[in-house]
Amino acid sequence: AQSVAQPEDQVNVAEGNPLTVKCTYSVSGNPYLFWYVQYPNRGLQFLLKYITGDNLVKGSYGFEAEFNKSQTSFHLKKPSALVSDSALYFCAVRGMFSGGYNKLIFGAGTRLAVHP
Amino acid sequence: GAVVSQHPSWVICKSGTSVKIECRSLDFQATTMFWYRQFPKQSLMLMATSNEGSKATYEQGVEKDKFLINHASLTLSTLTVTSAHPEDSSFYICSARKPSGRAPTYGELFFGEGSRLTVL
Repeated sequence: AQSVAQPEDQVNVAEGNPLTVKCTYSVSGNPYLFWYVQYPNRGLQFLLKYITGDNLVKGSYGFEAEFNKSQTSFHLKKPSALVSDSALYFCAVRGMFSGGYNKLIFGAGTRLAVHP
Repeated sequence: GAVVSQHPSWVICKSGTSVKIECRSLDFQATTMFWYRQFPKQSLMLMATSNEGSKATYEQGVEKDKFLINHASLTLSTLTVTSAHPEDSSFYICSARKPSGRAPTYGELFFGEGSRLTVL
């Protein structure tokens, strides 16, 4: 079964401190991994993705994520958090389903709260 | 990036009526669009895959007759919630796959802003 887990419901960070939002995955074959951010009553915005290549992926707004195959993890990181980073973050993995098309399987989401 | 537009952003309707939500890819053609439902403080649940020119593929447990999906053109998919009831109140999000130079299934997904449905 293909799945993605975000073990933390909420992460609290002080502004200026580094942040990490955790994600682990389970997928057959090579994983295609994604991070999205959602602000209140808004759709999802793409942050970054890992398809192949360098394990450290850089994305939008200063975010980056590290792919670790042995730990099946894809944690989202940022060296210095901003209050404006406060939002809901979703990790997703591309899985297969009937019909021949790939689909995104989302984690439960982690709410990031950055305090001044 | 690409732009996906959803309309309406907010809709309030009476129980028993039908509501149509539109999802448009504004600057690319999308042969595949996806409809998600999101409950408060929960993740996105894939409802169905909308394929241009053919029937939608529904996820297990999603009522086809309740949630009608039409993908009549390469830039427009619609979700119609028929005979809506209060339990259908939710945040509905669409996404569209922008084809890449490789196989169509490798295209990146772009999400609409979502539509909040409230059924009284």
